[in-house]
Amino acid sequence: DVQMTQSPSSVSASIGDRVTVTCRASQVIADYLNWYQQKPGKAPKLLIYSVSNLESGVPSRFSGSRSGTDFTLTISSLQPEDFATYYCQQSYYTPGGGFTFGPGTRVDIK
Amino acid sequence: QVHLQESGPGLLKPSETLSLTCAVSGGSIDTTYWWTWVRQPPGKGLEWIGEIFHAGNTNYRPSLRSRVVISLDKSKSQISLTVISVTAADTAVYYCARVRLEKSAKVFDHWGQGILVTVSS
Repeated sequence: DVQMTQSPSSVSASIGDRVTVTCRASQVIADYLNWYQQKPGKAPKLLIYSVSNLESGVPSRFSGSRSGTDFTLTISSLQPEDFATYYCQQSYYTPGGGFTFGPGTRVDIK
Repeated sequence: QVHLQESGPGLLKPSETLSLTCAVSGGSIDTTYWWTWVRQPPGKGLEWIGEIFHAGNTNYRPSLRSRVVISLDKSKSQISLTVISVTAADTAVYYCARVRLEKSAKVFDHWGQGILVTVSS
């Protein structure tokens, strides 16, 4: 089954900073990669699907890209409401594996 | 706007059966969507459990397949999750979510608020 890793596991940043989170898949998953944001005590929220497509209502400061099996989530200018944990998820379904989330990257205030 | 709400017992003893329901409002479950369950142990990451299509097709996480059943009740607009023989490792917040198809990719676009289930003797 497909394994997902994320780096860093946590990052401290200031308002206005550019923040980058990387996710790596253990095998080729094409563009089957989504990003979710989760705030404490809340359900995850879909941010980006299929590598780079912004979900409706998500601010344009969020963007996603891919290089091979490496995927990147970028927040161009960090805002107070962006402090949260970010998870990547592969949706390259295989009968032996299903869907997999990365371990998460926590973005907190420096 | 579709809304999902999980419900069920919050405390179970080891070896008991976990039964949760997810009530869907603001939209029909008998449409071209999948519906999924995801759980999150306290302080840990997200774990996909399984999914069901409106036609009844199901897919499960391989490590849970022998203990999990997901079903639909279209008359009540509900999705159910059953996990048998629970242990402390099944303690988690359980979320239901709607699965939208983007071309051939599946995205979890609407989530319930989640329900904490604790397994303890």
